This record gives sequence, structure tokens and C-alpha cells, in this order.
Amino acid sequence: GQNIDQPTEMTATEGAIVQINCTYQTSGFNGLFWYQQHAGEAPTFLSYNVLDGLEEKGRFSSFLSRSKGYSYLLLKELQMKDSASYLCAVRPRGNYGQNFVFGPGTRLSVLP
Amino acid sequence: ETGVTQSPTHLIKTRGQQVTLRCSSQSGHNTVSWYQQALGQGPQFIFQYYREEENGRGNFPPRFSGLQFPNYSSELNVNALELDDSALYLCASSYTQGYNEQFFGPGTRLTVL
Repeated sequence: GQNIDQPTEMTATEGAIVQINCTYQTSGFNGLFWYQQHAGEAPTFLSYNVLDGLEEKGRFSSFLSRSKGYSYLLLKELQMKDSASYLCAVRPRGNYGQNFVFGPGTRLSVLP
Repeated sequence: ETGVTQSPTHLIKTRGQQVTLRCSSQSGHNTVSWYQQALGQGPQFIFQYYREEENGRGNFPPRFSGLQFPNYSSELNVNALELDDSALYLCASSYTQGYNEQFFGPGTRLTVL
């Protein structure tokens, strides 16, 4: 089966650092993606990991451990505009389509 | 470069009716995936079309069907609407297989009364 878990909600302060965790159990693994989704808008791509380790893109970093079925998204120097839902998605191996299995999303609120 | 577009933006239907949602993929993309996102949840995969053929399907009943056209635009059709079909329907396009991310459209908000 496919199961992806994320915390439902998180709160952090402007300028701080926040880590959003994601654990997954899927029938295969062919990459993990993080998307940002503001209320009422489309998800936008943030990062992609297929090998273990840390990928850094500006204020955003994403980490993957395939043996632990674990990933996290790290957001530094938080800004008010970072208030959004963050979606973890896994592409299972063996699916010839590019369909993703999404987690429920973590709603992050950044407070002044 | 034109992004993914969807129409209509919002739609209200009653139970038992049929609905067609439309998606134009991003320029150069030949693969379109459809997702259903209920309020407060992550998107759920409905199906994917690649070169006008269904290329994978999630756990949705046959009353959810689709088409892809030669220009790679796509339609999602839902028959015999149920109240639980109320959701945001997202279309995502990508360039065929591989590690490329999917680019999402703004979605169609469907309300079934």
C-alpha cells in the first residue's frame, strides 16, 4: 500500500527556521518531491530528491533517507509569504506514469 | 512559455449531473495528469494521459473518464455527480517520463449540491 505522513499544522516565527517532516511507505520509490501550495492556488514545485542526502536551493533545503523512508523540508529565514501548505509527494517505482502519491500536507503559519 | 491553464475556474452542479473540466498543458509537455483535492487534504491521483492514451489510473470509479487531444490538451469528465465529488480538480502537465516535476494548473473548484 501507499502511505505518506506529515504533521497537519505547524507554526513558526518570521526569521526563524522550520523543519517539516515526511515519512513514507510506498510499494516502490522513484523520487520524492516537495510542493508549496498557497490557499486556493495550484501547488508549485520546491524540490526533488531521489538519492540520499541534502539538496539546497536558496532558503529551502530538502533531505532524504531512503532506508528510513524519511524526508524533511527545511525553510530558513522564514518570511510571512511562506505561510502555505507544504505537500510531500512520492513517485512509486514501477508506475510508468508520472503519477504522484501525495501526503495530506502541512499547513505552516508564519507569525510576525 | 504558456503555463498550464484550466477552465472553468468554478462550477456548481447538482447531484446526478455530468461535468466536463478542461486543461491546456504547458507548451512542450505531452503528458497530463488529473488530481482531486478535497479541502484540507493532499491531491489524489485520478489518471494520466500520454499521447492521447490513458497511462495510469488511481482508485477512482469508471464514472471518472478523460480524453487527451492531439494538441495534448485534456478533458476530465465526471458522470452521475455525487456530493463527495465536491473538490478542487487539478491538472498537471509534464514532459513524458523521467524525473521532471509536474507543473500544476490553477484548478477548477467543483461544488456539487
